[in-house]
Amino acid sequence: SQQGEEDPQALSIQEGENATMNCSYKTSINNLQWYRQNSGRGLVHLILIRSNEREKHSGRLRVTLDTSKKSSSLLITASRAADTASYFCATDPGGGSNYKLTFGKGTLLTVNP
Amino acid sequence: NAGVTQTPKFQVLKTGQSMTLQCAQDMNHNSMYWYRQDPGMGLRLIYYSASEGTTDKGEVPNGYNVSRLNKREFSLRLESAAPSQTSVYFCASSEYGTTYEQYFGPGTRLTVT
Repeated sequence: SQQGEEDPQALSIQEGENATMNCSYKTSINNLQWYRQNSGRGLVHLILIRSNEREKHSGRLRVTLDTSKKSSSLLITASRAADTASYFCATDPGGGSNYKLTFGKGTLLTVNP
Repeated sequence: NAGVTQTPKFQVLKTGQSMTLQCAQDMNHNSMYWYRQDPGMGLRLIYYSASEGTTDKGEVPNGYNVSRLNKREFSLRLESAAPSQTSVYFCASSEYGTTYEQYFGPGTRLTVT
């Protein structure tokens, strides 16, 4: 069963705007990761946030984590047409379930030039 | 470095035929994974291998078998293909415990008629 659920399912914005995607999950986690998938390609890791972190930045990406609400958000600032892709959150439960990530269904982001 | 490679890229099978999907990584990772991706379903874990010599079932293992041939290679076998196995299959690898992100191959698009 899916652990993470992204919201919205699809998002369409103009170049230069910010894009925010949300992820909710159900059980405790060791870390949460975000991946990007361009059409017809494999997933590419973007950023990882550990359970004891609240915010993390990488270039134009900002990720927040609220473990009390079991939710995370991914913000892409100053979006570009090249950011058009599907974005997935993935939860790592740690503990005895090491090695296994559980992926959400993804948010399809379209950035219009 | 090639990263994670998968063969073939595309395959069409008739119901009941068998085939093996090949995966290799050149990053010296201990852990390897097989996922399937269906429209609107995100990625679901079929099997994984935490380290050479071990394999374990994931969320959707029925109808599949795997072999961890050596540290580099992890193959997925469909013994008797069914239309429900029409999907895109991704192999991934990671070095769990050092870094946690997974590196994905380009995928195999399989159609079972």
